[in-house]
Amino acid sequence: KQEVTQIPAALSVPEGENLVLNCSFTDSAIYNLQWFRQDPGKGLTSLLLIQSSQREQTSGRLNASLDKSSGRSTLYIAASQPGDSATYLCAVVGGNKLVFGAGTILRVKS
Amino acid sequence: GAVVSQHPSRVICKSGTSVKIECRSLDFQATTMFWYRQFPKKSLMLMATSNEGSKATYEQGVEKDKFLINHASLTLSTLTVTSAHPEDSSFYICSALKDGLYGYTFGSGTRLTVV
Repeated sequence: KQEVTQIPAALSVPEGENLVLNCSFTDSAIYNLQWFRQDPGKGLTSLLLIQSSQREQTSGRLNASLDKSSGRSTLYIAASQPGDSATYLCAVVGGNKLVFGAGTILRVKS
Repeated sequence: GAVVSQHPSRVICKSGTSVKIECRSLDFQATTMFWYRQFPKKSLMLMATSNEGSKATYEQGVEKDKFLINHASLTLSTLTVTSAHPEDSSFYICSALKDGLYGYTFGSGTRLTVV
């Protein structure tokens, strides 16, 4: 059974800092991995999708990497801003289902 | 793009009544949609997979008679919470998969409060 773990559970940083969110999964037989952002009381916004054959994806200040063999992914946020404050969720896809981690709650202080 | 619309965004109902939540894929056809439930400060829990034209597949522990799912068209899935009770109060979110390029797209969620 696939299990997804995200570290840290919560993170508080000053504005401008670069930061890394970690995601690990137990079964490397995944189709792809997706990072989401969730604001309080809202749905999920897709940030980056990495296919299993890819190593990384970039969008603006965000960069996500994937190492299938070791079961790890990282989300790198450059020059963090208060507007980046949210919960970040990592999810892996296998067998047409998403398996989510518990999320990292990020707070960027101005 | 891949846009999923969910309605209503919040609903308050009395115990014993039923509530219907709609999930629509606006710019693509979705043969499969997914319904999740989220408890406060917790991650998403998959409730069921909704298949167009056939019965939904429910996850273990989810009562199919309590949470009725209908996927009558390629762009609409509905979740009906029947005979709602306060313990059904939660945040419900739907999602759909357009293709491997876009990944999963989520609706904005429905906050259900049963009083």
